[in-house]
Amino acid sequence: NAGVTQTPKFRVLKTGQSMTLLCAQDMNHEYMYWYRQDPGMGLRLIHYSVGEGTTAKGEVPDGYNVSRLKKQNFLLGLESAAPSQTSVYFCASSDTQGSNQPQHFGDGTRLSIL
Amino acid sequence: GQNIDQPTEMTATEGAIVQINCTYQTSGFNGLFWYQQHAGEAPTFLSYNVLDGLEEKGRFSSFLSRSKGYSYLLLKELQMKDSASYLCAAPSGSARQLTFGSGTQLTVLP
Repeated sequence: NAGVTQTPKFRVLKTGQSMTLLCAQDMNHEYMYWYRQDPGMGLRLIHYSVGEGTTAKGEVPDGYNVSRLKKQNFLLGLESAAPSQTSVYFCASSDTQGSNQPQHFGDGTRLSIL
Repeated sequence: GQNIDQPTEMTATEGAIVQINCTYQTSGFNGLFWYQQHAGEAPTFLSYNVLDGLEEKGRFSSFLSRSKGYSYLLLKELQMKDSASYLCAAPSGSARQLTFGSGTQLTVLP
């Protein structure tokens, strides 16, 4: 009953370091998403994917890259971390069947850039 | 584009009823979602409206008026565990990606 799993849960980086956030879902969902959540700003879409091998930019894509090599995994990369990327990152997935399908969220990754 | 507005904070008393409003401006309408998010946790799905009217789910109900670009979430018989942020969100695009409001932080007092 895992749903959407994100790793790591917490991470502290220094400015300029790189890292990859991992997201895995076991619901066979086609659609996957990466959001960031900052105080007072709600959730904002970084990148998303409509299926294996596809990715697209969301509202705030700069400084991030993504890959969807396998249907169940969606990776978010920071090539050169900046303090402005300090945030809570949420991955989500959803089914394609029906307009009322909600997105299912992982527990988040809390990332601090010093 | 999408624009979604909701109040930043609300306070209510245990056992009372509270209504959380959401107004939206979207380039195309594909329904409206409500999510609940407790501090430090993931958002969880509460309701989805695509037609005008009230959808009831136990203590929670959600209302939609497409002509007015307006929705509300109604919480009845408030409990302390209902203290959380309530997020209004509109889907759009090829993956029905969500545009969220900033969230309404509800505090339930004893």
